[in-house]
Amino acid sequence: QVQLQESGPGLVKPSQTLSLTCTVSGGSIRSGSYYWSWIRQTAGKGLEWIGRLYASGSTNYTPSLKSRVTISVDTSKNQFSLRLRSVSAADTAVYYCAREARQYNWNDVNGAYYYYYMDVWGKGTTVTVSS
Amino acid sequence: DIQMTQSPSSLSASVGDRITITCQASQDISNSLNWYQQKPGNAPKLLIYAASNLETGVPSRFSGSGSGTDFTFTISSLQPEDIATYYCQQYDNLPITFGQGTRLEIK
Repeated sequence: QVQLQESGPGLVKPSQTLSLTCTVSGGSIRSGSYYWSWIRQTAGKGLEWIGRLYASGSTNYTPSLKSRVTISVDTSKNQFSLRLRSVSAADTAVYYCAREARQYNWNDVNGAYYYYYMDVWGKGTTVTVSS
Repeated sequence: DIQMTQSPSSLSASVGDRITITCQASQDISNSLNWYQQKPGNAPKLLIYAASNLETGVPSRFSGSGSGTDFTFTISSLQPEDIATYYCQQYDNLPITFGQGTRLEIK
């Protein structure tokens, strides 16, 4: 079955760039049926969706982080990555990568429609921003 | 952004109880709602997708309903292993947003 594993530094200095990688095993990141997402979790703000990447390379980001975030893919390594620039203590969190399934459905009333859900998650990695 | 409001924020119940959690969206999201379970130290786990569809392998005591702005998540008979925090999540509009969570405890 598909598994995801986050990796990267656990400590980042303020104003520097947070870089994390998610390695996908047991399946191909090239599959057109999935998005590949980053989510973070803090005690104060709960679960926060950061953004996602599609197999084509297209991306979506949450507006509040869009100016500082880049999500990219390395298909040769079956990995996708998160870069968050100019970090501060507010970026201290547990960071998760997840697979978001895009399930095709069809019926006579609605025609084609999709369900989207995050069905596979990495274990998460804690990143602390501190000098 | 679409705001997702869960209630209650915490809940204490006994084994065998039927428990219900509600999730309200700040605007109509049709049935574009998922439910997740998170146990301490673990990643969230998908339980219900598209408001009422049970994820493969999830026990049938879990169920979901609703559409539009109001959704319900139910555990028909609480088991000790159900102790966790539960989150709703909408995907109707980007950015994807989550509810603040409902912490479930055993009495």
